[in-house]
Amino acid sequence: GQNIDQPTEMTATEGAIVQINCTYQTSGFNGLFWYQQHAGEAPTFLSYNVLDGLEEKGRFSSFLSRSKGYSYLLLKELQMKDSASYLCAVEDSNYQLIWGAGTKLIIKP
Amino acid sequence: NAGVTQTPKFRILKIGQSMTLQCAQDMNHNYMYWYRQDPGMGLKLIYYSVGAGITDKGEVPNGYNVSRSTTEDFPLRLELAAPSQTSVYFCASSPRENTEAFFGQGTRLTVV
Repeated sequence: GQNIDQPTEMTATEGAIVQINCTYQTSGFNGLFWYQQHAGEAPTFLSYNVLDGLEEKGRFSSFLSRSKGYSYLLLKELQMKDSASYLCAVEDSNYQLIWGAGTKLIIKP
Repeated sequence: NAGVTQTPKFRILKIGQSMTLQCAQDMNHNYMYWYRQDPGMGLKLIYYSVGAGITDKGEVPNGYNVSRSTTEDFPLRLELAAPSQTSVYFCASSPRENTEAFFGQGTRLTVV
């Protein structure tokens, strides 16, 4: 079967760095997405990785290792507005997105 | 720039009733999707469309139907609502595969 695993919840301090991990087992791989979802709102796109390595975009970076079936999202200089759920999704061989359950990130002052 | 517009935002249905969730996008995207999101679970794909006149089942299509008569609109029909269909429904669109999807604001549906 297809499976995406993420931690359910993480807590971090304002100004700090946090790494949210995602491991996946899917039938094929055509890319990995990270989305941010604030409570009661729609998901919004953060990043897309298709090749191994690190993609940096401002305070957010995303890493992919296809051989290990592993990705992480790195958030630097955390702000209170970063409190949200972070969703990992893998595009399988049929170009359908398989979604993880999301990681709820709580930022404390 | 409206993006993806979903209506209604909230709805309460009685068991056995039917309804249509509306979704419209103004970005001329070929791909459109319907997902449901249950607490503690990942988004589950109900139906998707790669262009006008073309629809296909996703992971959880039972109890739902869709149509795609125009590029802009992708309504989701619930027939004979059941409590198991209580969920938050999101419509999304993208220009093609491998690209970010744009989501509507969601419809929170309760079946009682």
